[in-house]
Amino acid sequence: GAGVSQSPSNKVTEKGKDVELRCDPISGHTALYWYRQRLGQGLEFLIYFQGNSAPDKSGLPSDRFSAERTGESVSTLTIQRTQQEDSAVYLCASSLIAGGQETQYFGPGTRLLVL
Amino acid sequence: GQNIDQPTEMTATEGAIVQINCTYQTSGFNGLFWYQQHAGEAPTFLSYNVLDGLEEKGRFSSFLSRSKGYSYLLLKELQMKDSASYLCAVKESNYQLIWGAGTKLIIKP
Repeated sequence: GAGVSQSPSNKVTEKGKDVELRCDPISGHTALYWYRQRLGQGLEFLIYFQGNSAPDKSGLPSDRFSAERTGESVSTLTIQRTQQEDSAVYLCASSLIAGGQETQYFGPGTRLLVL
Repeated sequence: GQNIDQPTEMTATEGAIVQINCTYQTSGFNGLFWYQQHAGEAPTFLSYNVLDGLEEKGRFSSFLSRSKGYSYLLLKELQMKDSASYLCAVKESNYQLIWGAGTKLIIKP
């Protein structure tokens, strides 16, 4: 596709359930990021994938959060035993480093509501 | 520590000019980005500065002073569609961006 896509666009779940969010990056983009954005706040870095290197998981808020990426394609972010505080928009971005300038292109996000 | 500061909200008039400031304190610096985010949508790239000075792109310009840890985004000939949040982000390392909370810009007729 032409841009980053994410699914589902909206997800409502009950506290304690697991959820899986999907991101399809722009074809050819080697880097992929997951962010969390709470209402009215800035972006909070969660995890970064670059090619076949070990991912940077330093932003994951707890061990309930995990993410996988298959090669340089699809990534999934899994939240286990969801809590109400997990309610936020989860944004995925991909990028291609060109000439030192790395521009991140964002997907539309998944709006997660934990009841 | 890491800190990105921007005003929370600004109001301007259609057709006018507005300057949105961003100050930063980070352990590293590899460039500064400005993104636009309309309500309920994903951020979209506006500009990138890595050297001091002004970068002009149509109605939008972005300025950087590395010695002062300061940037601004200048929007000219404001249009109603420019009502959005404007996010400042500093590239601290090879890849990680540190994001400000964003400035909500309200355009009035």
